[in-house]
Amino acid sequence: QVQLQESGPGLVKPSQTLSLTCTVSGGSISGGNDYWSWIRQPAGKGLEWIGFIFTSGTTNYNPSLKSRVTISLDTSKNQFSLKLNSITAADTAVYYCAGQRSPYDVFDIWGQGTMVTVSS
Amino acid sequence: QSVLTQPPSVSGAPGQRVTISCTGSSSNIGAGYDVHWYRQLPGRAPKVLIYVNSNRPSGVPDRFSGSKSGTSASLAITGLQAEDDADYYCQSHDSSLSGSVFGGGTRLTVL
Repeated sequence: QVQLQESGPGLVKPSQTLSLTCTVSGGSISGGNDYWSWIRQPAGKGLEWIGFIFTSGTTNYNPSLKSRVTISLDTSKNQFSLKLNSITAADTAVYYCAGQRSPYDVFDIWGQGTMVTVSS
Repeated sequence: QSVLTQPPSVSGAPGQRVTISCTGSSSNIGAGYDVHWYRQLPGRAPKVLIYVNSNRPSGVPDRFSGSKSGTSASLAITGLQAEDDADYYCQSHDSSLSGSVFGGGTRLTVL
């Protein structure tokens, strides 16, 4: 079955750009789940949707993060990526990639999550 | 502050029934968007418990049920078991964000 795996640095300095990649394995990034999202969870807190990219390349971001977020797609590598710039300690969290069939649907596939700490 | 409101914690003894509420607004649950529920164990990714308001994925026991009415939804768990001790989250779509919103999460403690 389709699996997701996040990758990227676990430690990023304040004011820099956080870059993460989600690799889709066991299936095509363009088949079935067409909406690919990033979701984050600060320690001891709830889940926050960051944004999604549709397999056509269309994106939509949470307004609270929109000015700092870019999500991109590389279908040749079966990957999608997150860039979050001007990061602060408030961006320290576990970052998950996840997939939906539509923007209204359940996230029926999740990566295991990757912890990102913002610290100098 | 989460768009969807859940009680921070609920508890119950083994064998009892508990419910977890999820309250939204006219831009999400009240607009007719579906509600989904997840269970999250410590250090693990959320896992689907209920999708499209009341549907259970294969493998989820029928002790778990979901309902939706107006601007709210509920997750009910009957016959509580120790393994139900976890965090539970609701999720829906919000027209203001044109994206997904989550509840703040509810910690279920099995006494």
